Amino acid sequence: AQSVTQLDSQVPVFEEAPVELRCNYSSSVSVYLFWYVQYPNQGLQLLLKYLSGSTLVKGINGFEAEFNKSQTSFHLRKPSVHISDTAEYFCAVSDPFGSGGSNYKLTFGKGTLLTVNP
Amino acid sequence: KAGVTQTPRYLIKTRGQQVTLSCSPISGHRSVSWYQQTPGQGLQFLFEYFSETQRNKGNFPGRFSGRQFSNSRSEMNVSTLELGDSALYLCASRADRGQGEAFFGQGTRLTVV
Repeated sequence: AQSVTQLDSQVPVFEEAPVELRCNYSSSVSVYLFWYVQYPNQGLQLLLKYLSGSTLVKGINGFEAEFNKSQTSFHLRKPSVHISDTAEYFCAVSDPFGSGGSNYKLTFGKGTLLTVNP
Repeated sequence: KAGVTQTPRYLIKTRGQQVTLSCSPISGHRSVSWYQQTPGQGLQFLFEYFSETQRNKGNFPGRFSGRQFSNSRSEMNVSTLELGDSALYLCASRADRGQGEAFFGQGTRLTVV
């Protein structure tokens, strides 16, 4: 079974500082990888996704992530954060070759709360 | 294009009661998935429906059930509510293609007292 580990439950940073949110997954097969953001009392919004191709993926709001197959990691980065980036961030994985609809199932990490302080 | 709509946004129920939550997917999306989000367990997959058929099910007791209608709208039902069922229930819809992004609704916050 797939699993996702987000190494930091909370990450406090100052405004305009760079940030990296770490994500590792366990899977012996090909995977699709995603980062979602959740603002308070809201659903999840997709930041970016890796399906195939270039290992550096750019997403919305200035975020990017790098897929590293050898280290089974998919860390999220932003060079300069804003107060408005304060939210919870979730890394997720799915099996692109799963049958019976299992390829539509997302397995999530526990989330990382990013707090941007002035 | 309207997003995924979940109703109601908030619910308070008493232990032992049952509850039905509704999800209207994005127009044209036939896949609807449900997730439970709690502080302790995080986001957990409940089940996924496609063209009125349940294709995949997570590890939840039989008290949790769902269905999908011909217009792709989906409902999930929880019977004999327990305090531990208090959670944010999220619905996601996807297009048919396997690479399609999952779009989430704002969720239904269920509180069991």
